[in-house]
Amino acid sequence: AQSVTQPDIHITVSEGASLELRCNYSYGATPYLFWYVQSPGQGLQLLLKYFSGDTLVQGIKGFEAEFKRSQSSFNLRKPSVHWSDAAEYFCAVGGRTNAGKSTFGDGTTLTVKP
Amino acid sequence: DVKVTQSSRYLVKRTGEKVFLECVQDMDHENMFWYRQDPGLGLRLIYFSYDVKMKEKGDIPEGYSVSREKKERFSLILESASTNQTSMYLCASSLRTSGRIGELFFGEGSRLTVL
Repeated sequence: AQSVTQPDIHITVSEGASLELRCNYSYGATPYLFWYVQSPGQGLQLLLKYFSGDTLVQGIKGFEAEFKRSQSSFNLRKPSVHWSDAAEYFCAVGGRTNAGKSTFGDGTTLTVKP
Repeated sequence: DVKVTQSSRYLVKRTGEKVFLECVQDMDHENMFWYRQDPGLGLRLIYFSYDVKMKEKGDIPEGYSVSREKKERFSLILESASTNQTSMYLCASSLRTSGRIGELFFGEGSRLTVL
């Protein structure tokens, strides 16, 4: 069975500081991996995805993530956080042969201090 | 842009009522999903559909049913609402194309309160 762990429930960073959100996954083969962002009262929006190839993937809003197979991790990073990045972030793992069914982590809430 | 529209943003229902949550997508996606979101529990899959009239149970299907009569529309039905079904419900859709599979497009959510 596939699963995702986001160890940090809540993270607070100062505006302009760097950010790393952790994600560990469990999957029997090479997974599809995703990061989504959810602003208050809204649905989720895809930030970036890993399907194959280069293990460092770039996304929207200046985010990037690195797939590390040996560590079963897909951590999300941003070099300089903006106040508008305050939101909830979800990591998800999906299979290649299951109609695109994804399993989500419990989410990490990001607070940005001025 | 892909648009996934959930017909009701906020609903208040009474215990035992039948509840319909409607979802429509406008990009000809094959796959559609219903998730439930609760604080601290992330998103949990209720049902999904990979084609018209096809449906499969997700992780928490008990107390729910679904209908997909047209490709663009996927309905979630609570036959007899209970207070433990108070939650945020999120509809999503995706292509089945290799390289795009699993890339979900979400609606804004329907917040259901059952009294």
